[in-house]
Amino acid sequence: DAKTTQPPSMDCAEGRAANLPCNHSTISGNEYVYWYRQIHSQGPQYIIHGLKNNETNEMASLIITEDRKSSTLILPHATLRDTAVYYCIVRSGNEKLTFGTGTRLTIIP
Amino acid sequence: GAVVSQHPSRVICKSGTSVKIECRSLDFQATTMFWYRQFPKQSLMLMATSNEGSKATYEQGVEKDKFLINHASLTLSTLTVTSAHPEDSSFYICSAPGQNPEKLFFGSGTQLSVL
Repeated sequence: DAKTTQPPSMDCAEGRAANLPCNHSTISGNEYVYWYRQIHSQGPQYIIHGLKNNETNEMASLIITEDRKSSTLILPHATLRDTAVYYCIVRSGNEKLTFGTGTRLTIIP
Repeated sequence: GAVVSQHPSRVICKSGTSVKIECRSLDFQATTMFWYRQFPKQSLMLMATSNEGSKATYEQGVEKDKFLINHASLTLSTLTVTSAHPEDSSFYICSAPGQNPEKLFFGSGTQLSVL
């Protein structure tokens, strides 16, 4: 799997949009960008994934740059329950997921 | 979405004993399951890939005789930590691909504490 780079931590005010960046400059053409999050002492939770086009679901939006070398996860209206570690992962097909260190997002009341 | 059930959620055992952790796919079949380990304040590290009806594939540095994996059915994989030591204390998490193999779903994890 290609490696990803994420900031180790971020803060966001409650109610504001949280924008989490991820660099994956060595991503190959058949690799998807996945986002998972892990709330303390729980298993990771799937958020969203995409290949080339921007994606949106009930949890978040995923913006992938045209060259696919970076992406941004957007939580449109952050709540305190969104405090978690967010992992950006690139993966092809049904290969195993390899986790990096992620971004620890703290939502500030 | 697909549900992966993991049991127990927490276990405390004495050094030298064995502990079995179960991972079940509740509403779908999983020919493959993944087992991860996570130490405090660290990321998840893949230990092994469990394959239904065949031997598990272990990541480099993971002792297959210590971490026994059995994937006897399409909905159940088990991880047995044999002769547990305090350094085996960790958070163990399983995952399985759903009907859409692009998505991996995770169990809620098992916190193992070896005294």
